[in-house]
Amino acid sequence: DTAVSQTPKYLVTQMGNDKSIKCEQNLGHDTMYWYKQDSKKFLKIMFSYNNKELIINETVPNRFSPKSPDKAHLNLHINSLELGDSAVYFCASSQGGSATLYNEQFFGPGTRLTVL
Amino acid sequence: AQSVTQLGSHVSVSEGALVLLRCNYSSSVPPYLFWYVQYPNQGLQLLLKYTTGATLVKGINGFEAEFKKSETSFHLTKPSAHMSDAAEYFCAVSSGAGSYQLTFGKGTKLSVIP
Repeated sequence: DTAVSQTPKYLVTQMGNDKSIKCEQNLGHDTMYWYKQDSKKFLKIMFSYNNKELIINETVPNRFSPKSPDKAHLNLHINSLELGDSAVYFCASSQGGSATLYNEQFFGPGTRLTVL
Repeated sequence: AQSVTQLGSHVSVSEGALVLLRCNYSSSVPPYLFWYVQYPNQGLQLLLKYTTGATLVKGINGFEAEFKKSETSFHLTKPSAHMSDAAEYFCAVSSGAGSYQLTFGKGTKLSVIP
């Protein structure tokens, strides 16, 4: 029944490692997002894909690479992890496009990444 | 460009008291406005939204918000706070139909005192 799911929920790793976070939505949406929430709870969009095409690519280190194998999945791969990457990462989805009335986004439960 | 300002990073109210969380926005086009709630260690959940039509919108859990174009505000209220309302609240703005970009405010933490 989960609309937007993320795995893993917690991720603890060492500096310099490479890790991935997976996201899946079963809402039939065509747009997916990755957000980073820092320790002060500030939410910042990182990426967005619409129909597997990258449409939002904010100023994010190129160590972060999103991958969308299909409309229902958007994974986030992070290379050479740094201490500053520690945060909660949220995946979201929405039905976006010119025919859409509004951009209600549905959020996953988040992945807490801790880099030691 | 659009932006959201939430006045007060932390608001404390007594149980049963009025909840008022302030949100002001800036948008070059008619905005769509949202309030999301985040309970501890959980994702964000939509409380309510304004797109078009009636400016007073009702959401879940007894919350409501009023869109005031002249004041560029979208304040969130609830007549009587409950302990379960303690959470982080985020106001967000979208630049309308077809827009993918949702800009969030910095959040307001609501504490409810028994």
